[in-house]
Order: sequence, then C-alpha cells, then structure tokens
Amino acid sequence: SAVISQKPSRDICQRGTSLTIQCQVDSQVTMMFWYRQQPGQSLTLIATANQGSEATYESGFVIDKFPISRPNLTFSTLTVSNMSPEDSSIYLCSVGGWDYGYTFGSGTRLTVV
Amino acid sequence: DQQVKQNSPSLSVQEGRISILNCDYTNSMFDYFLWYKKYPAEGPTFLISISSIKDKNEDGRFTVFLNKSAKHLSLHIVPSQPGDSAVYFCAASAGGATNKLIFGTGTLLAVQP
Repeated sequence: SAVISQKPSRDICQRGTSLTIQCQVDSQVTMMFWYRQQPGQSLTLIATANQGSEATYESGFVIDKFPISRPNLTFSTLTVSNMSPEDSSIYLCSVGGWDYGYTFGSGTRLTVV
Repeated sequence: DQQVKQNSPSLSVQEGRISILNCDYTNSMFDYFLWYKKYPAEGPTFLISISSIKDKNEDGRFTVFLNKSAKHLSLHIVPSQPGDSAVYFCAASAGGATNKLIFGTGTLLAVQP
C-alpha cells in the first residue's frame, strides 16, 4: 500500500490567516481525498482531488474556503483559508480505492486562536 | 444525513474476551466496507475489509461479518488485548468513479487488563 507523508503535523494559527497542508505519496495515484475530523466527531470528506482537474467538493465545503491543488500524481495541498476557531480540527489526506485499499496520512492537528 | 452509523459511542471489554463493534448503513449502493482503528494524533490504520459478495472475512484476531439484508456489519476481536484500546471507525464505499469513503461515527473501545 502507498505511504503518505503529511505536513505539518500540527499548527496553531491566528484567526483570519491561512494554512496550507501538504501530502506527498510515494507512488502515483489517481485520486486523493481530504478529510476533516472535528473534535469528538467522525471523519468527514471535504473533497476529492484528481490530477489535472478541479477538485470535487462535498456538500458544505467550498473551494474559496478550502482550495486544493493537485499538480501531479504524487502530491496535493489543502489550504484552510481565513481561519476561525471553528476550523480547529484534524485534517487528513488519503489515497486508495475499493480494489486496493485506502491509506491515510498521519494528520494535521490545527488549532485556531 | 448519516449514511454510516455506529450506535455505540463506547465499549468496555475485559482482556481476553471478545469485543464486538457494530455498524449500520443506509445506502444500498455501498459494496465495500472497511474497519479502521485510530489513536489520538495519528491517522486511521486499516484493519480489515469486506466486499458485498462475502458475508465474512477473517484476519488473525479480527473478523468482519456483513449482513446485507439488514445493512449491518460487525467487527469481532478475539481475544481482546489492552493494545486494542482505540477508536474504531467503520467505513463504506460505493466504488465506481468516486471511490470515496463514508465513515461512521466511531466507537471508543477500552480493553481492561
């Protein structure tokens, strides 16, 4: 299975600022997924990122707030823009599919103050 | 609309006994199911999966059972060990073009020595 390097592992940010989270995969993958886990909650899919096309966002998530880049088949970034304390969560990237399994990055724990 | 539900937020089991974690889903298009284990400050770790063509899959101490007619799956851990203490998430995928995972709400398992 793929190995994902995600960074930063944690950050404390001021409200109104933006944070970009990076995920590097050790193999080429078609789809990358970005999830959010709010405190005490489940993992919620933010968007699916395909290389060469715009990301597909789930209901409740918009590109202006969570812009995603996918410049190649091994790398993606998620930006959390104009942050507020409600954005304090763990953000995770993932790759995979039903036919070859899903792997997750170690997560980015974001605290907005 | 929570398509994947884990109705027990927590479960406590004695070491050596069986742990049974349950999961229900509503979307009949789901055809691939997975269980993940998650420690705080880490990404989810894949445990075991099952496709809809099977009703049971076993891997060491972990067995997953799928009842399609009831839209229910369960994870059995035998024997339970203190190191199994974590949050367990079930997840489902409808495969196809999106391949995205929908996660359940999680069950915190505590295995008492």
